[in-house]
Amino acid sequence: ETGVTQTPRHLVMGMTNKKSLKCEQHLGHNAMYWYKQSAKKPLELMFVYNFKEQTENNSVPSRFSPECPNSSHLFLHLHTLQPEDSALYLCASSQVGPFGGPYGYTFGSGTRLTVV
Amino acid sequence: DQQVKQNSPSLSVQEGRISILNCDYTNSMFDYFLWYKKYPAEGPTFLISISSIKDKNEDGRFTVFLNKSAKHLSLHIVPSQPGDSAVYFCAAHPGGKLIFGQGTELSVKP
Repeated sequence: ETGVTQTPRHLVMGMTNKKSLKCEQHLGHNAMYWYKQSAKKPLELMFVYNFKEQTENNSVPSRFSPECPNSSHLFLHLHTLQPEDSALYLCASSQVGPFGGPYGYTFGSGTRLTVV
Repeated sequence: DQQVKQNSPSLSVQEGRISILNCDYTNSMFDYFLWYKKYPAEGPTFLISISSIKDKNEDGRFTVFLNKSAKHLSLHIVPSQPGDSAVYFCAAHPGGKLIFGQGTELSVKP
């Protein structure tokens, strides 16, 4: 399998549930990202991981908890979410460094999350 | 505070005509810009980019123009085709991350 794969594609969860989103990249990239896309709003950067280390947390509430066990996998653990957290969550990867470039971002297809 | 803005949420164009999508940014230190295209149920895909040392970059039917003094860039699609119907995101690339605008939904009608 190639590219960036996100599972599940769709998720409906209650406000008291705990769930996780998974992202996997097969591109040999060294950086991974979580973005949130809400209706009529920009793609919002949530977290950045470079070489498995979190380098950015964009003031994201603690009910979102990222995990990056290795440079190919990224998780977003969700608990006690609110209905306003319903959105499309996109994972991306890129190669950071002398052989990478900003055009090298590859996005997954996203997880459509609905919180009820 | 939104650093990259696309003020037109939607644009409708006739097939064969020119589509012009606009983007404004606030930080004069931004030096690399990209356009991404997104179809429903898919992630954004890279379309074209421009560095601040240029004021124009062309790739087939797609041309991006950069006006640094106005902190404005635009994407021109000529001629527009129905398959171009999608959401187009403008992005700046400061320090290894992408900052996106809200997107403009382009509809190209046959």
